[in-house]
Amino acid sequence: NAGVTQTPKFQVLKTGQSMTLQCAQDMNHEYMSWYRQDPGMGLRLIHYSVGAGITDQGEVPNGYNVSRSTTEDFPLRLLSAAPSQTSVYFCASSYTSGTYNEQFFGPGTRLTVL
Amino acid sequence: GQNIDQPTEMTATEGAIVQINCTYQTSGFNGLFWYQQHAGEAPTFLSYNVLDGLEEKGRFSSFLSRSKGYSYLLLKELQMKDSASYLCAVRGRNAGNNRKLIWGLGTSLAVNP
Repeated sequence: NAGVTQTPKFQVLKTGQSMTLQCAQDMNHEYMSWYRQDPGMGLRLIHYSVGAGITDQGEVPNGYNVSRSTTEDFPLRLLSAAPSQTSVYFCASSYTSGTYNEQFFGPGTRLTVL
Repeated sequence: GQNIDQPTEMTATEGAIVQINCTYQTSGFNGLFWYQQHAGEAPTFLSYNVLDGLEEKGRFSSFLSRSKGYSYLLLKELQMKDSASYLCAVRGRNAGNNRKLIWGLGTSLAVNP
């Protein structure tokens, strides 16, 4: 199992550019989520999904879109990049049934917006 | 509101024991997680508590008191590789398939020789 994979690992954008951060998991997890992590702010939830075709907003969704057409993939789209979106982005997944359902994280994408 | 508090930084000596505290105020409670995050890496799962008491996993133990809204992570026989950030996270009100977690800001632990 590859677990949770993310591409790219690093990205530099100019203000106003758009891009898609890719996330895939091969553990058949129903739940997938996107976080951003900034110094002093901790992990903040951007968007999440409880299954294919179902997405919802987290605490900081503005400027980002997601879709979930398959169980495996959960891409995050930046519509018009802004310097405030400079951050480390983590994708995470877990089962929705069962006892504790720990979240498995991808390696992260380090994004800089100039 | 919902809030999780952890100390920002701690230091300890190799071979010693360290306790990292976490207090929480959330809308409902459906489990508490501890994650470890090394600098430049992703968080990795350490432990889970949903009932009161101590859960032991090798050198790491985690304790929960639901009535006090309190947990701690105990690290024994500290090694240099334990230098990392330790994140406390709580799953709040049970919302079916929703696995959302509320995260603390993390405690940065430095282990000195």
